[in-house]
Amino acid sequence: DQQVKQNSPSLSVQEGRISILNCDYTNSMFDYFLWYKKYPAEGPTFLISISSIKDKNEDGRFTVFLNKSAKHLSLHIVPSQPGDSAVYFCAASAVGNDMRFGAGTRLTVKP
Amino acid sequence: DTGVSQDPRHKITKRGQNVTFRCDPISEHNRLYWYRQTLGQGPEFLTYFQNEAQLEKSRLLSDRFSAERPKGSFSTLEIQRTEQGDSAMYLCASSQRWGRPSNYGYTFGSGTRLTVV
Repeated sequence: DQQVKQNSPSLSVQEGRISILNCDYTNSMFDYFLWYKKYPAEGPTFLISISSIKDKNEDGRFTVFLNKSAKHLSLHIVPSQPGDSAVYFCAASAVGNDMRFGAGTRLTVKP
Repeated sequence: DTGVSQDPRHKITKRGQNVTFRCDPISEHNRLYWYRQTLGQGPEFLTYFQNEAQLEKSRLLSDRFSAERPKGSFSTLEIQRTEQGDSAMYLCASSQRWGRPSNYGYTFGSGTRLTVV
């Protein structure tokens, strides 16, 4: 059961522009959402998270937006840098339960 | 602390053989998770431990799979009678005990890539 969906397998943006990665979820019990970044041959690394009591969380160039009514979240990267090129996974969890991941979006930032 | 360590990084095995992977979590983390990732997919949950207790197992974890964490520190994942469909990246992660509102993020290891030929 695909409770967390990332419908765009890839995204390409120009350096300095905004990258927007999207994620949808189906389980209304999810109350914590995370984004992970993964480089080849490495495990996913935590990037940013948001609790369901918030609709926005910002950390430097990264901002996550949560729209609970639409069961949708997005990750904005501004400005995008070539080093941001990686696979980005959206993940969600309910209290006391393990995380469920989306299939990932491969971001390519062109110089 | 060197983070979450997984061994080996790569494993090639013949179909029907047994394989065992090891994960050493961050020392102060008492939760340990195993995930499997296949090409083009996100990590899929397999099982997790709270200290030495295995608290949840996914339906993905067939009878050929067994995981242990005997002393609440390192963990092993064994696959018996491997099949070609078992070829995947096996990821281990650890975290502090669940709590609010702390960072729920797991720390992942670099994974063990299994190829069954």
